[in-house]
Amino acid sequence: GAGVSQTPSNKVTEKGKYVELRCDPISGHTALYWYRQSLGQGPEFLIYFQGTGAADDSGLPNDRFFAVRPEGSVSTLKIQRTERGDSAVYLCASSFGPNTGELFFGEGSRLTVL
Amino acid sequence: AQTVTQSQPEMSVQEAETVTLSCTYDTSENNYYLFWYKQPPSRQMILVIRQEAYKQQNATENRFSVNFQKAAKSFSLKISDSQLGDTAMYFCAFMKLGGSQGNLIFGKGTKLSVKP
Repeated sequence: GAGVSQTPSNKVTEKGKYVELRCDPISGHTALYWYRQSLGQGPEFLIYFQGTGAADDSGLPNDRFFAVRPEGSVSTLKIQRTERGDSAVYLCASSFGPNTGELFFGEGSRLTVL
Repeated sequence: AQTVTQSQPEMSVQEAETVTLSCTYDTSENNYYLFWYKQPPSRQMILVIRQEAYKQQNATENRFSVNFQKAAKSFSLKISDSQLGDTAMYFCAFMKLGGSQGNLIFGKGTKLSVKP
């Protein structure tokens, strides 16, 4: 597709469950980013991939959160033992290369933990 | 640590008028970029305008321009000839150069409503 695609668009789960969120970046974009946006807040950085490797995962809040990008394209954000405080919109973005700040965002995956 | 502050949670403007959104930031860095991103209702966030801190000239993109005051750490966005399609959340963001690429620090946003 032409833009960044994220699935699912909405996910409702119960506390303690495992969740996977998928991001398909723009073709040819080597850099991929995950952000989290809580209600009334701006996006908060989670992790950045350059190719297949996580170049910076300093924003992951704890070890329940993990992300992979095994072939340098699609990425999956994985959340174990979900908590109510994990409820947010998870945004994925991609860019041609590093250090421009011009990120192309997807529409996000809205996660609700009951 | 860097912080970005947007002091106007909501603003409104009449169609065809001009509006200015405020942003201040705090950093000890000298080399960085500043951005304004727009997030329309139920649509993805897009880049509106970017300013390199080393450039004295204010960036402009059609109806959008910035007033960058480096010493004051101020970065406001001016929208001229406002259109209904400008209705959106606007986020100011900071990125340190040489650090983690893509680690943008966003403000809380300003909700702009353009009224017909």
